[in-house]
Amino acid sequence: EAQVTQNPRYLITVTGKKLTVTCSQNMNHEYMSWYRQDPGLGLRQIYYSMNVEVTDKGDVPEGYKVSRKEKRNFPLILESPSPNQTSLYFCASSLLAGAEQFFGPGTRLTVL
Amino acid sequence: QQPVQSPQAVILREGEDAVINCSSSKALYSVHWYRQKHGEAPVFLMILLKGGEQKGHDKISASFNEKKQQSSLYLTASQLSYSGTYFCGTESSSGTYKYIFGTGTRLKVLA
Repeated sequence: EAQVTQNPRYLITVTGKKLTVTCSQNMNHEYMSWYRQDPGLGLRQIYYSMNVEVTDKGDVPEGYKVSRKEKRNFPLILESPSPNQTSLYFCASSLLAGAEQFFGPGTRLTVL
Repeated sequence: QQPVQSPQAVILREGEDAVINCSSSKALYSVHWYRQKHGEAPVFLMILLKGGEQKGHDKISASFNEKKQQSSLYLTASQLSYSGTYFCGTESSSGTYKYIFGTGTRLKVLA
């Protein structure tokens, strides 16, 4: 089944404790993206990747890192999480930039 | 800057029609429409690539006016399953691959 998976689905952590949210797609898509969704602010792009080893900042990259060592995986790293990073995070992939995006189920992160 | 959607929210009875608008202050090169049901991930509805293009998907269709930098989503004879939040989306500017979503429109269909 073609899908985008994210783990964990829910995470409660404390300020400053490094964490990684994994994202994997099995559709051989080139373009992958991370979004955060906050009430009243909609979906905002954090980082995106055009292909392996090619990543770039979206609109809200501060406090996040990403890597794309393999085509299927695009982990989101929060090296020192802060409470303002409490949010719902979505990973998405598409065959190419500008094409239909397939979203993962989301990761709800709470930073205390 | 995010495309602005209107209305922000709308409540319909089953069978009624609705129009959701998406307006951008910058040139639109393509427009995507997504629907997100409560507690779920956004799901792609359709993409419009050329100015003036219109597309249909079941009883949901959309138009794209490149000159006015606007797109509209038309929901005809709405069903309960249409409830959710609708987002337009586009490349944030030419030459980059950043993506930006509109402000969103919450739509609720009542029986």
